[in-house]
Amino acid sequence: GEDVEQSLFLSVREGDSSVINCTYTDSSSTYLYWYKQEPGAGLQLLTYIFSNMDMKQDQRLTVLLNKKDKHLSLRIADTQTGDSAIYFCAESLGGSARQLTFGSGTQLTVLP
Amino acid sequence: GAGVSQSPSNKVTEKGKDVELRCDPISGHTALYWYRQSLGQGLEFLIYFQGNSAPDKSGLPSDRFSAERTGGSVSTLTIQRTQQEDSAVYLCASSLEVAGVNEQYFGPGTRLTVT
Repeated sequence: GEDVEQSLFLSVREGDSSVINCTYTDSSSTYLYWYKQEPGAGLQLLTYIFSNMDMKQDQRLTVLLNKKDKHLSLRIADTQTGDSAIYFCAESLGGSARQLTFGSGTQLTVLP
Repeated sequence: GAGVSQSPSNKVTEKGKDVELRCDPISGHTALYWYRQSLGQGLEFLIYFQGNSAPDKSGLPSDRFSAERTGGSVSTLTIQRTQQEDSAVYLCASSLEVAGVNEQYFGPGTRLTVT
C-alpha cells in the first residue's frame, strides 16, 4: 500500500533556504505534489513534478525527485515570514486511483 | 473566479446527532473529492465523484458516512449518529478530470466538533 512520510517540524531564519523532505513507498506514483496550508485555511497547490523528471524550478521553489530512493524535497529560497505554514507532500498513482495520498505535513516556522 | 466553497465553516454537534456538510466545487470541474483532516494528521481520503460514474467510496470509515453529488455539481457529506472521533476538519476539493496531473483545488474546510 501507499505511505507518505515527512518530518513534523522545521525552523529556519528569515532569508535562509528551507528544505522540506518527503519519502513515499509506492513506485507507481505518477505525479508528486506540494501543498501549503496556512492557519485556518484550505490547502493551496504550490507545485508538482512528474515522476520521470528529477528537478523542477518555479521562482523561489525547487523540487527535487529521487525516484530510485523514493525521496522528494521542496527547497524554498530566501525564506520569508509569510512562508510559515504547514507543507504537505502528496502522491497520485494515476489510472483509476485519482485521490491523492498525503503525508502528515511539515510545520515550517520562519524566525526573524 | 470563485474557488471551492464549503458550508458551514464550523459545526458543533452533540454525539448521536446527524450532520450535513456542503461543498460547492469550481464551475466546470467534473471531479470532486472529500478528505478528512484530524488534529495533527495529514489528509485522509473519504470519497471521490467523477461525472456520472459510480463514486469511489473506498475511503469512507464506516457506514455512518455517506455522500451525494447532485447534478454533477454540489456535494453533501452526511455523517449519521456522530461520534467524538468524527471531530475533524472536512475538506472538499475539485479538479478537471484530465489525463495526467491531477490538480486539486481545496475549499477552506468545515471544522466539525462532536461534544
